[in-house]
Amino acid sequence: DAKTTQPNSMESNEEEPVHLPCNHSTISGTDYIHWYRQLPSQGPEYVIHGLTSNVNNRMASLAIAEDRKSSTLILHRATLRDAAVYYCILRNSGGSNYKLTFGKGTLLTVNP
Amino acid sequence: DTAVSQTPKYLVTQMGNDKSIKCEQNLGHDTMYWYKQDSKKFLKIMFSYNNKELIINETVPNRFSPKSPDKAHLNLHINSLELGDSAVYFCASSPLGTYTYEQYFGPGTRLTVT
Repeated sequence: DAKTTQPNSMESNEEEPVHLPCNHSTISGTDYIHWYRQLPSQGPEYVIHGLTSNVNNRMASLAIAEDRKSSTLILHRATLRDAAVYYCILRNSGGSNYKLTFGKGTLLTVNP
Repeated sequence: DTAVSQTPKYLVTQMGNDKSIKCEQNLGHDTMYWYKQDSKKFLKIMFSYNNKELIINETVPNRFSPKSPDKAHLNLHINSLELGDSAVYFCASSPLGTYTYEQYFGPGTRLTVT
């Protein structure tokens, strides 16, 4: 699986936007970019995924660079409930695509 | 309505014992998984079953034996428990294993081996 690099931690203030970066310079053309998050003492939770175009859903937006070597998860207005570890994961459309390979993720702290 | 449920939530046991963790999903998914999250918080896939058939076994000691009686259940049995087995175990499910579908995780089972 292609590797992703994320900052270990980030801090934000409540009700402000948060931009969580992810580098994936070795991404292949068939890799999808997935984001999951894990709230304290809970299982991981799907956030969003995309291939080439930017994506929006009720939780967040995903901005994908034109060369696809990086992406940014955008939380438009952070709340205290968004404090979690955020994982950026690449999933290939071929091969053993069933599993999620988690890295260290980014620990997001939201200040009131 | 719980989508993916696990029992028990906490499990404390002694070395050498045998224990089981149960997982059930009511989402109608075909694929189920077991992940292990160790003390350093790394999450790693252990097994995956698709329609009751094992499709992923990630170099897990054979003391760990998953069993899928039907596609809604995937249980994890662990023989001869060791201290290093202490971790949080997460069950997950997804529709027929494709790269675009999200996985739904259970709340986890915290296993402590003393």
